[in-house]
Amino acid sequence: NAGVTQTPKFQVLKTGQSMTLQCAQDMNHEYMSWYRQDPGMGLRLIHYSVGAGITDQGEVPNGYNVSRSTTEDFPLRLLSAAPSQTSVYFCASSIGTEAFFGQGTRLTVV
Amino acid sequence: EDQVTQSPEALRLQEGESSSLNCSYTVSGLRGLFWYRQDPGKGPEFLFTLYSAGEEKEKERLKATLTKKESFLHITAPKPEDSATYLCAVQTETGGSYIPTFGRGTSLIVHP
Repeated sequence: NAGVTQTPKFQVLKTGQSMTLQCAQDMNHEYMSWYRQDPGMGLRLIHYSVGAGITDQGEVPNGYNVSRSTTEDFPLRLLSAAPSQTSVYFCASSIGTEAFFGQGTRLTVV
Repeated sequence: EDQVTQSPEALRLQEGESSSLNCSYTVSGLRGLFWYRQDPGKGPEFLFTLYSAGEEKEKERLKATLTKKESFLHITAPKPEDSATYLCAVQTETGGSYIPTFGRGTSLIVHP
């Protein structure tokens, strides 16, 4: 039982490049979400999903896309990376109460 | 707009020195309040869920309490291994989703 798995753990991008952060969970949870964590800002919600085929925007969605084709996977796409997207990204899944988080992806955009 | 405010931002304690962390909230329709622990370089780890005023939960040296306006995380006789960032989050009735809103956290350092 792996829980929530995020890949990669570290990534450096050049401004303008695109990439996808992967998130997979093996707990059959309906709810999945993406957060970014910046110093002094806490966890801010980017996008979330309440089930396969259903996604919605969170607090800071600009510059990011998501899709949810299966219960297990919830990838986050950066369309054209900007230095302001330098952050630590966390994926989480939940079934209504406690959330289970991945280990995070540390992204640097230069 | 739902708001979650944690205080203090940082706290330094000596081993054995008990203290409390605060999480105050202004939300419409609280569905649940959560406490998480986050170690450096790792994702948050769930500690407690509180649902109604007056409720208390305990785990080892940690005790979480809830009123209608705030929650406290009491740390009794802390040890260096309790050093971490403690996050508070609230889940509300708006929108029908189960996605919580997080506070900015309290960074706790316990010196031996």
